[in-house]
Amino acid sequence: KAGVTQTPRYLIKTRGQQVTLSCSPISGHRSVSWYQQTPGQGLQFLFEYFSETQRNKGNFPGRFSGRQFSNSRSEMNVSTLELGDSALYLCASSLELRANEKLFFGSGTQLSVL
Amino acid sequence: DAKTTQPPSMDCAEGRAANLPCNHSTISGNEYVYWYRQIHSQGPQYIIHGLKNNETNEMASLIITEDRKSSTLILPHATLRDTAVYYCIVNTNAGKSTFGDGTTLTVKP
Repeated sequence: KAGVTQTPRYLIKTRGQQVTLSCSPISGHRSVSWYQQTPGQGLQFLFEYFSETQRNKGNFPGRFSGRQFSNSRSEMNVSTLELGDSALYLCASSLELRANEKLFFGSGTQLSVL
Repeated sequence: DAKTTQPPSMDCAEGRAANLPCNHSTISGNEYVYWYRQIHSQGPQYIIHGLKNNETNEMASLIITEDRKSSTLILPHATLRDTAVYYCIVNTNAGKSTFGDGTTLTVKP
């Protein structure tokens, strides 16, 4: 079974641009969650999608958005990029929205904003 | 989500058991304790989770105190490949939340 796939692996953008990152969950998994990891702030929760609906959201500005498609694949978008958005963006998938679940993480997209 | 407290770093000798503590004194009755680890520059990896009872799998054991206010992750025979940051998360959502700083475990030969 293929794991969680994130594309692209690396990305370089300039301030003010926007970026779209993609996440394909493990086959059969319906929940996808996104995280931002920086050296200073650690691993921060962005949002979670299930059945094409955002279910939970972390404390990030509206420039960060996401969506989920009917096949459970998910994208996140960051508009008007700032230098501080440079980070490793991780997504994770799980089967359902239950508490008794395991998260499976992808390898992440390393975003550099110049 | 209940707040968790972990020591920032620990060392362990290769082949010995690594015991990583986590305090979660404000845990609610329906919150699970989850453990993940992250090896440098990789995505976190699920280790184990539990609600009340002690749990064991092929990777580790999880010991939860009777009052559920603290827990210990045990790696029975640590290897150099177990060097990583270990995160303890307590919530009702499979650990989907902001991870804390975790414990950096260094296994030494």
